Amino acid sequence: AQTVTQSQPEMSVQEAETVTLSCTYDTSESDYYLFWYKQPPSRQMILVIRQEAYKQQNATENRFSVNFQKAAKSFSLKISDSQLGDAAMYFCAYLTNDYKLSFGAGTTVTVRA
Amino acid sequence: ETGVTQTPRHLVMGMTNKKSLKCEQHLGHNAMYWYKQSAKKPLELMFVYNFKEQTENNSVPSRFSPECPNSSHLFLHLHTLQPEDSALYLCASSQAGAAYEQYFGPGTRLTVT
Repeated sequence: AQTVTQSQPEMSVQEAETVTLSCTYDTSESDYYLFWYKQPPSRQMILVIRQEAYKQQNATENRFSVNFQKAAKSFSLKISDSQLGDAAMYFCAYLTNDYKLSFGAGTTVTVRA
Repeated sequence: ETGVTQTPRHLVMGMTNKKSLKCEQHLGHNAMYWYKQSAKKPLELMFVYNFKEQTENNSVPSRFSPECPNSSHLFLHLHTLQPEDSALYLCASSQAGAAYEQYFGPGTRLTVT
């Protein structure tokens, strides 16, 4: 089974500043998909961003961007211009070849006003 | 209703009770999933259904019994649970056999007393 590691249990960021969440994974596959999900205190998990491993270009979605380093098996998420609504738990996830998601333990992001 | 809905949102049950969790998706998807989310642990995939057929049982104890009568509905029947089964149970749906993201419901917070 693929292992996804998020080494930062908690991160704090000042409003309007930038925070980067780290994620590493272990795989022997060459083609796969990576995701970042956000789970606000209301608990509904929503997709933030998606990256296809065959694409060299890093995915970007408004204030959210990733730094995908395939050789290093690293997939970090950068949140720019942080807003109070960004406060949530963020999960990194790997999609296996049989279409099952493997999740990291999550990083809780706190945004200071 | 839109997206993925789950009922009840909160459930307290004794170890000898029998109860059921319900999930419904309004997205036209054909794959549905049950996950268990415990504190400080990654999400654990429990069951996967593709086109109403169970394709994954991730070594889940038999006191959890899933049912998928059609592509839009998924149930998790619970009986003789243990206190360690207390957790947030999340349902998700997606298109089967494709690297599309999964859409999650708000979850059922289960407490076993």
